[in-house]
Amino acid sequence: AQTVTQSQPEMSVQEAETVTLSCTYDTSESDYYLFWYKQPPSRQMILVIRQEAYKQQNATENRFSVNFQKAAKSFSLKISDSQLGDAAMYFCAYRSANTGTASKLTFGTGTRLQVTL
Amino acid sequence: EPEVTQTPSHQVTQMGQEVILRCVPISNHLYFYWYRQILGQKVEFLVSFYNNEISEKSEIFDDQFSVERPDGSNFTLKIRSTKLEDSAMYFCASSDNRLIGNTIYFGEGSWLTVV
Repeated sequence: AQTVTQSQPEMSVQEAETVTLSCTYDTSESDYYLFWYKQPPSRQMILVIRQEAYKQQNATENRFSVNFQKAAKSFSLKISDSQLGDAAMYFCAYRSANTGTASKLTFGTGTRLQVTL
Repeated sequence: EPEVTQTPSHQVTQMGQEVILRCVPISNHLYFYWYRQILGQKVEFLVSFYNNEISEKSEIFDDQFSVERPDGSNFTLKIRSTKLEDSAMYFCASSDNRLIGNTIYFGEGSWLTVV
């Protein structure tokens, strides 16, 4: 079974600065997808960014980018120019590309990000 | 932008009562899911549903749980006899094609409190 580990329960960043959230995962599969979801106080789960394992290029979405290291099974999220609205819980998630188990997301325990003035 | 909608946003129920949580997935999506998040814990997969049947379920999804797509638009989660430990946020989600790993989109959640 796949596992996702987020070793930082809480992180803090000053407004306009850059922060990196860590995520590692364990899998024996070679084809899969990785995601970062944001959960603000409203508790809605919002997709931030996704990465296909077969792609070597790191995904980017505006101020959000990832550092995907497949061999190390590492998938960190970098938030540049942090804004107050970035304050939230961030979950890393894994999804297999195998048809038998492709339906479910496996989540990490989350990192709570605080943004200070 | 299309979104997954869930009702109710919050429900309080007595232990032993039946609860139905409702969801309207994104209209062109084919795969539907329920996830659960106990307060302060990570989000856990419950069940996935495709072509009017369950395609995968977790060990959490026991005989007390059932899902249904009664009318082609709604997707419901029923808990037959609620227990205190069923208190959680329940997220409905949908995606348009599981096989190519398309993104799963979540609703805003239904917060269930069992007393």
